[in-house]
Amino acid sequence: SQTIHQWPATLVQPVGSPLSLECTVEGTSNPNLYWYRQAAGRGLQLLFYSVGIGQISSEVPQNLSASRPQDRQFILSSKKLLLSDSGFYLCAWSVSGRATDTQYFGPGTRLTVL
Amino acid sequence: AQTVTQSQPEMSVQEAETVTLSCTYDTSESDYYLFWYKQPPSRQMILVIRQEAYKQQNATENRFSVNFQKAAKSFSLKISDSQLGDAAMYFCAYTGGSRLTFGEGTQLIGFGNVLHCGSGTQVIVLP
Repeated sequence: SQTIHQWPATLVQPVGSPLSLECTVEGTSNPNLYWYRQAAGRGLQLLFYSVGIGQISSEVPQNLSASRPQDRQFILSSKKLLLSDSGFYLCAWSVSGRATDTQYFGPGTRLTVL
Repeated sequence: AQTVTQSQPEMSVQEAETVTLSCTYDTSESDYYLFWYKQPPSRQMILVIRQEAYKQQNATENRFSVNFQKAAKSFSLKISDSQLGDAAMYFCAYTGGSRLTFGEGTQLIGFGNVLHCGSGTQVIVLP
């Protein structure tokens, strides 16, 4: 069966520091991968999605970036964090080639920027 | 652009009762999927139920069912025989392509009215 992992679970970082959040998927090949951000008590905002290695689409211009160095690995990064980057970050995957297929979510990373 | 609207920021339900969460959406697509996700305090998003737009039959998963009204672009979630574990934030979502568009969520608050007893503890007082 497929599983999705996110690391770390929680993170507290000072303003201006770099960021690297990791998402890995097991049990499937060539998945579509997604990064979402959720502010407290709000809905999810799509940040990036990827349909393959090295293929990244950005939905919201910001100081965040994403990379997909391996088929089942998706990384969210920043060179300098802002206070507004605080939030809950969720990674998700769906079956490749089926645009309307279900997305399955990881456990999330809670990021606090001080 | 596709939009998803959940007009109820908060709902409450008594244990064992039924509650319906509302969702409407706007799209020009003819082929799309609709979802309800549950987000408990752990904040992991858990898929509750899925509906394909081309299917007229309403999806059902155990105590969870939907009322899909395609013409009205309405997709409500009914939870029957509510349990305390159903208390969570519920998100309605739509996808007609690679993007999943979420509503703002409905916080479901559960009220227990059934007394759950443990197995008991025998206390023996020795002289």
